[in-house]
Amino acid sequence: DIEMTQSPSSLSASVGDRVTITCRASQSIRGYLNWYQHKPGKAPKLLIFAASSLQSGVPSRFSGSGSGTDFTLTISSLQPEDFATYYCQQTYTTVSITFGQGTRLEIK
Amino acid sequence: EVQLVESGGGLVQPGGSLRLSCAASGFTFSSFEVNWVRQAPGKGLEWVSFISTSGSTMYYADSVKGRFTISRDNAKSSLYLQMNSLRAEDTAVYYCARLSYCDSGFCRYFDLWGRGTLVSVSS
Repeated sequence: DIEMTQSPSSLSASVGDRVTITCRASQSIRGYLNWYQHKPGKAPKLLIFAASSLQSGVPSRFSGSGSGTDFTLTISSLQPEDFATYYCQQTYTTVSITFGQGTRLEIK
Repeated sequence: EVQLVESGGGLVQPGGSLRLSCAASGFTFSSFEVNWVRQAPGKGLEWVSFISTSGSTMYYADSVKGRFTISRDNAKSSLYLQMNSLRAEDTAVYYCARLSYCDSGFCRYFDLWGRGTLVSVSS
């Protein structure tokens, strides 16, 4: 199975901060990398697909980059509604889809 | 409204069985591959299973292989997860998620999720 390693596992930041979360795959996954935001009691929400494509309706302060094994999610200016847990996901193979362990973004 | 709604969760004893359902509406269910994903208490998201549009191809996480069975009924726009030989570690919120593809075909992602149904395995 392809392992996805996210860092950091948790992060404290303030409104207006620029935040970057990284995700590393155990082998090349080309651009088959997605990012999700998850809040307690709600459905996970797709933010970025194909490493860098912004899902419709997602604010432009969210951006993604990377290819192969190393990827990043950046939030350019944190808003109060952005405090949540973020997951990367590889869909290089549907035989075994995997998520990163998550990054919990908390208010400082 | 385009949505997925899970049901069927509840409390079950270790070794027991449960069948989850996911009702799709607002889109052509038969045109999409779908998945089950779970989140155990205090843990992250874990992919559980995939099923193709026709239902002929299924994949499972190693943690549930041989115990869980995914199926679908396109006429009813519904997805199912039959869970047998349940263990305490299967306790989680279970989500169904739709798989969509980029126009190029070289990417795929879960663009629609349900709100989940809670399964608790305990004596």
